[in-house]
Amino acid sequence: EPEVTQTPSHQVTQMGQEVILRCVPISNHLYFYWYRQILGQKVEFLVSFYNNEISEKSEIFDDQFSVERPDGSNFTLKIRSTKLEDSAMYFCASNVGARGNQPQHFGDGTRLSIL
Amino acid sequence: DAKTTQPPSMDCAEGRAANLPCNHSTISGNEYVYWYRQIHSQGPQYIIHGLKNNETNEMASLIITEDRKSSTLILPHATLRDTAVYYCIVRAPLRGSGNTGKLIFGQGTTLQVKP
Repeated sequence: EPEVTQTPSHQVTQMGQEVILRCVPISNHLYFYWYRQILGQKVEFLVSFYNNEISEKSEIFDDQFSVERPDGSNFTLKIRSTKLEDSAMYFCASNVGARGNQPQHFGDGTRLSIL
Repeated sequence: DAKTTQPPSMDCAEGRAANLPCNHSTISGNEYVYWYRQIHSQGPQYIIHGLKNNETNEMASLIITEDRKSSTLILPHATLRDTAVYYCIVRAPLRGSGNTGKLIFGQGTTLQVKP
């Protein structure tokens, strides 16, 4: 069964450094998302991406964050200058879009640790 | 904020049915009810979804009340591997760049399956 894959599974970065989290969504999906989950807290929406542009973003998704779909398969989240509070699990998800009610599927996440 | 309310925790004996309730009294006419679960810090896993009819798949059954203000997820024969946090989420269908399909997670129900 097709699945969303994320790399790396764990990323350790010094505060202030840039980090890029990578995702390969399911191949025929049209909607792409990033969520994060700080340890012990709930899953929070960051951004949605459709038709090669951001369709919605949360208050968390400030100017330090950016997303890109550089080719037909990858979907990336970049944090330009990481802060300690960016430490979290980051989940990528995708949705096929057809019929409108199909479920979103998630990757297993990247654990980002900022030192 | 999440549009659903769930009990914070439940226990279930292994081999018995687990019935997880969810209230969504403000659900709109076009919103679907989705259930996901999260095992440890893995990515949320889709279980089942429905609009108004009861649904069943290989993982679970979903019972939606006639007024659609509440639903119950049923795991017919719970195993230890079903121990997880279960999330009930309502979402309108995707519509191009209109509804982006983001999922709003609450705290969910922590289901503990006991031997």
